[in-house]
Amino acid sequence: NAGVTQTPKFQVLKTGQSMTLQCAQDMNHEYMSWYRQDPGMGLRLIHYSVGAGITDQGEVPNGYNVSRSTTEDFPLRLLSAAPSQTSVYFCASSYEREGSPLHFGNGTRLTVT
Amino acid sequence: GESVGLHLPTLSVQEGDNSIINCAYSNSASDYFIWYKQESGKGPQFIIDIRSNMDKRQGQRVTVLLNKTVKHLSLQIAATQPGDSAVYFCAEMTTDSWGKLQFGAGTQVVVTP
Repeated sequence: NAGVTQTPKFQVLKTGQSMTLQCAQDMNHEYMSWYRQDPGMGLRLIHYSVGAGITDQGEVPNGYNVSRSTTEDFPLRLLSAAPSQTSVYFCASSYEREGSPLHFGNGTRLTVT
Repeated sequence: GESVGLHLPTLSVQEGDNSIINCAYSNSASDYFIWYKQESGKGPQFIIDIRSNMDKRQGQRVTVLLNKTVKHLSLQIAATQPGDSAVYFCAEMTTDSWGKLQFGAGTQVVVTP
């Protein structure tokens, strides 16, 4: 049981490049989400999904796209990377019910130059 | 918790002493609260949660207290150990908006021998 798996662990992009951050969970969780974490700050919600085919915006969605074609996978796409997107990105999942806290992956550290 | 920019509040605790980490939450409608521990280079790890119909919940060596009147949450760690050194985050949400966690800025706990 791997939990929440994120790839890659580290990535460097140039401004304007695109890339996809991968997230997979093997716990059959309905709910998945993406957060970003910046120095000295808590995590901020980017996008989330309550099930396959359903996605919605969080607090800081601009510059990011998501899709949820399967229960297991929830990729985050940066279409045109900007230096302001330099951050650590965390994927999380849970059952969509009380008493089921979010389980987080170990993050992707992204640097945009 | 309140954002303190790049510098996290730091709590220095002697090994074996009890730790108390405080958090002021912002949304009076929040009804589910979680404490997470984050070690360097890792994702947040669930510690304990509490619902708004409770004012205290105990786990193994940890206790969470909730005071809804003043919107205050605390995490008590008994007999603090070196492995407890980490950043601790409180997070809040409303269960009718499942998974949309609002995180505090975090508190750095340093355990000294």
